[in-house]
Amino acid sequence: DAGITQSPRHKVTETGTPVTLRCHQTENHRYMYWYRQDPGHGLRLIHYSYGVKDTDKGEVSDGYSVSRSKTEDFLLTLESATSSQTSVYFCAISISPSVEQYFGPGTRLTVT
Amino acid sequence: EDKVVQSPLSLVVHEGDTVTLNCSYEVTNFRSLLWYKQEKKAPTFLFMLTSSGIEKKSGRLSSILDKKELFSILNITATQTGDSAIYLCAGTQPNDMRFGAGTRLTVKP
Repeated sequence: DAGITQSPRHKVTETGTPVTLRCHQTENHRYMYWYRQDPGHGLRLIHYSYGVKDTDKGEVSDGYSVSRSKTEDFLLTLESATSSQTSVYFCAISISPSVEQYFGPGTRLTVT
Repeated sequence: EDKVVQSPLSLVVHEGDTVTLNCSYEVTNFRSLLWYKQEKKAPTFLFMLTSSGIEKKSGRLSSILDKKELFSILNITATQTGDSAIYLCAGTQPNDMRFGAGTRLTVKP
């Protein structure tokens, strides 16, 4: 398995609170991605990074921000969590765009 | 609007059957088509297809891409209970990847 970890693995939080999810890789891959997975929607891209401090929005970026201060870490922040953000969040890495991505174990987030 | 559509959404077969999963795509600046298998955890990579008509094969799984008709199929022969999973396809663009909703395959003993 590619060296990707996510933390926390499970989290329950209340509406309106900020939440930060962490993705850590040991593969030195340039590209990192955050997805959410919901029934009936498959995986949807939230944000991605193409290098340290270089990030861009994906398909469903509203309500989320990201930061990448080091190659190995990519943080996803929910600025003010809402119930619609209850989901499973996956981090992924790749050596370049348009090729296979390797996924982390996922974080199950519940917003009550 | 870019989209990837998989069919069927779910499928139940018995061990030993052969199944074909479908993936059609409308993706601007298309680069490649990827297949993943997802059990109760993260998706795991199966195939990447970039050229039409060239079959990729791994054991009982095979896949092919048709860039003219904008679709791909994933075949699984002699299915086993361990093949039960959600199968995802994704069309890649220069800086994005669009996933379909997946096909849930259940293989009964």
